[in-house]
Amino acid sequence: QKEVEQNSGPLSVPEGAIASLNCTYSDRGSQSFFWYRQYSGKSPELIMSIYSNGDKEDGRFTAQLNKASQYVSLLIRDSQPSDSATYLCAVNEGAAGNKLTFGGGTRVLVKP
Amino acid sequence: KAGVTQTPRYLIKTRGQQVTLSCSPISGHRSVSWYQQTPGQGLQFLFEYFSETQRNKGNFPGRFSGRQFSNSRSEMNVSTLELGDSALYLCASSPRTGERKTSTDTQYFGPGTRLTVL
Repeated sequence: QKEVEQNSGPLSVPEGAIASLNCTYSDRGSQSFFWYRQYSGKSPELIMSIYSNGDKEDGRFTAQLNKASQYVSLLIRDSQPSDSATYLCAVNEGAAGNKLTFGGGTRVLVKP
Repeated sequence: KAGVTQTPRYLIKTRGQQVTLSCSPISGHRSVSWYQQTPGQGLQFLFEYFSETQRNKGNFPGRFSGRQFSNSRSEMNVSTLELGDSALYLCASSPRTGERKTSTDTQYFGPGTRLTVL
């Protein structure tokens, strides 16, 4: 059973601080990794995709991938109250198609 | 471009009934995947359709089935509903065709259908 693990939180951060979220995965052959944000009662919204080892930055978000350690992380800089949500790590395990395996999500609370 | 659309948005059914949910992907996307989200199990993959064929399948019983039409629209069906089928059912579309390309395997989710089984 391929697994994706995340700390469920809640991760409480003050406004303006950096939120750091972690994710580990079990399938060493995985090649595509995603972070989604989900507000309560809404559907997941894509924040970032990452495919190569290293860092990828997009605005206030930075994703980091380390395939040797089977580890993906997401940094949120200058956290805002609107960033309060559940962040889902997902790994695409479909070699010839799409099959996302999700972690349980990390709930982030940004306090003004 | 319009996003992924799903109908209906809310459904209430009773045990033993069957239900059909519909999904229209983003224009040009040919891959459609279905997911179930519950508080206890989280987000779980049901199946993926591409070119009217099921290409990937998750670990759900045969009561869960789907199909895709030539215009890429997809439906999923759940027969003999159980209380545990109450969930948010999410559809996602992707431009991915065959082999993985980093530009095409991102999935975009629709708003979901909230199914309640009484």
